[in-house]
Amino acid sequence: KNQVEQSPQSLIILEGKNCTLQCNYTVSPFSNLRWYKQDTGRGPVSLTIMTFSENTKSNGRYTATLDADTKQSSLHITASQLSDSASYICVVSPSSGTYKYIFGTGTRLKVLA
Amino acid sequence: DSGVTQTPKHLITATGQRVTLRCSPRSGDLSVYWYQQSLDQGLQFLIHYYNGEERAKGNILERFSAQQFPDLHSELNLSSLELGDSALYFCASTRGGGNTEAFFGQGTRLTVV
Repeated sequence: KNQVEQSPQSLIILEGKNCTLQCNYTVSPFSNLRWYKQDTGRGPVSLTIMTFSENTKSNGRYTATLDADTKQSSLHITASQLSDSASYICVVSPSSGTYKYIFGTGTRLKVLA
Repeated sequence: DSGVTQTPKHLITATGQRVTLRCSPRSGDLSVYWYQQSLDQGLQFLIHYYNGEERAKGNILERFSAQQFPDLHSELNLSSLELGDSALYFCASTRGGGNTEAFFGQGTRLTVV
């Protein structure tokens, strides 16, 4: 069964600190993996998208890594800001031939001043 | 602003009723996806349309239906509503291919009382 699991479920950090969120997936064959940021009650916003051949992708203070062999991805947030408080969702597409996206349940990040 | 427009933003209705949610994709995007997000849950894929044709179905109830019109806007129809249908309903649009970025609307919050 295609699944995407994220850890931790929730995380609290102090402003200015770094953190790393994890995503493990069993989706196969695999086309691409995306990380989204979702503010409470708002639509998700794309942070990064990586194909199976890419190992890392950065977007400002956000850096995503991908290990297609172990089926793991991580999202590293550097120098966190209060505005980083949100849910971070890992989304995997099974293959380039389909249009389904399989969503993880997300990691809820809270950044405290 | 993602360029994806969803209306209405909020909807309160009684059990047993029928509602229609509307989504206008970004200009030029041919694909529309519908998702349901219950309280503190991940996004659940409902259905995907591409250029007016249904392409994939997820965990969509038989009481729910959708369509995409020639102008590419889409409607999600929910009937015989139950309390458990209360959720945020998001639509997302993409140009088409599996590796293209999906842009989400701000969602419609449906409350069934």
